[in-house]
Amino acid sequence: KAGVTQTPRYLIKTRGQQVTLSCSPISGHRSVSWYQQTPGQGLQFLFEYFSETQRNKGNFPGRFSGRQFSNSRSEMNVSTLELGDSALYLCASSIRLGPYEQYFGPGTRLTVT
Amino acid sequence: EDKVVQSPLSLVVHEGDTVTLNCSYEVTNFRSLLWYKQEKKAPTFLFMLTSSGIEKKSGRLSSILDKKELFSILNITATQTGDSAVYLCAFAGNYKLTFGKGTLLTVNP
Repeated sequence: KAGVTQTPRYLIKTRGQQVTLSCSPISGHRSVSWYQQTPGQGLQFLFEYFSETQRNKGNFPGRFSGRQFSNSRSEMNVSTLELGDSALYLCASSIRLGPYEQYFGPGTRLTVT
Repeated sequence: EDKVVQSPLSLVVHEGDTVTLNCSYEVTNFRSLLWYKQEKKAPTFLFMLTSSGIEKKSGRLSSILDKKELFSILNITATQTGDSAVYLCAFAGNYKLTFGKGTLLTVNP
């Protein structure tokens, strides 16, 4: 079974721009969660999508948003980028909704200059 | 606020050594505790523990949970250079995984 895939793998943007990241879950997995990983804060939960609906959300500003499509693929969008948004963005998929066994993709390394 | 603390933050050992990594938590609505290994990019799933006192094993790795004392340990025996990685533990609460900052393990030949 193919694993979780994320595109692009690397991205460089400037402050004020917006960015869209993509995640394709493992076949049959309906839940997609997004995380931000930085050296200082570690892995932090952004949000979770299940059946095309955002079900849970972490403590991030409204500039971070996402959506999920009928084939369970998910996108995450960050608007008005700030320098502090530079991070590794990971998505993880799971068969069911909620904090269960999750499988991570390779991540997108976003650098904001 | 839920908190997961891992110790030590980093560890350097020689091949063949046995290591014990620690994870303690202060959380509400505990569902399970998970361990992941992160080498370069994607964390890879190792174990999920839900019951206290039951050891999970996979080859040279094993883990156990103590729900009364609120901690878990991950043991790695006969370490190899390929075990070098960051080991993350995560608590599964109501709706999300809360991760610790990880333990960086370096295994030297």
